[in-house]
Amino acid sequence: AQSVTQPDIHITVSEGASLELRCNYSYGATPYLFWYVQSPGQGLQLLLKYFSGDTLVQGIKGFEAEFKRSQSSFNLRKPSVHWSDAAEYFCAVGSNNNDMRFGAGTRLTVKP
Amino acid sequence: SAVISQKPSRDICQRGTSLTIQCQVDSQVTMMFWYRQQPGQSLTLIATANQGSEATYESGFVIDKFPISRPNLTFSTLTVSNMSPEDSSIYLCSVVQTGANVLTFGAGSRLTVL
Repeated sequence: AQSVTQPDIHITVSEGASLELRCNYSYGATPYLFWYVQSPGQGLQLLLKYFSGDTLVQGIKGFEAEFKRSQSSFNLRKPSVHWSDAAEYFCAVGSNNNDMRFGAGTRLTVKP
Repeated sequence: SAVISQKPSRDICQRGTSLTIQCQVDSQVTMMFWYRQQPGQSLTLIATANQGSEATYESGFVIDKFPISRPNLTFSTLTVSNMSPEDSSIYLCSVVQTGANVLTFGAGSRLTVL
């Protein structure tokens, strides 16, 4: 069965610092991988997705993620965090959208 | 991408009552889903809303508790029946546009049951 693990429940970084949010998945085939962001009181917004091809994918708001099949990982990165990036981040895996699984989420706090 | 409107955005309800949440999409979509996000938790799929037929429920969710309608390709409702405090959650409508393979979410409906 497919599953997603986000090992970090809460991360705090200083504004301007780099960020990496971890995501590990378990899936029997080539997965579709996603990162979503949820700001307080909001729905989920897609940051980026990986289906195939180049394993480094660029998303919105300056985020990128790298698919590493050997490590079953799809970590999200940003070189310089802004205060507005404070939110909950969810990694998700699926092959079709009937069977998408979400990680538990990582809450990002940005220190001034 | 599709624009999804959910109503109500939030509500406070009494134990034992029922509440219907509406999801309106600005374009026809093949697949619509309802998710629940309990406080501090991730998203759990409740069911797939099927147009013109009964919804497909995930394990742990039943039609009597969460009846779903989908009369056409742009609209669906989720009812939370006989509510208890454990039903306090954010309920999210999501859709997949044809050929997109990406879930788009509404802003959610935050329910508090007293």
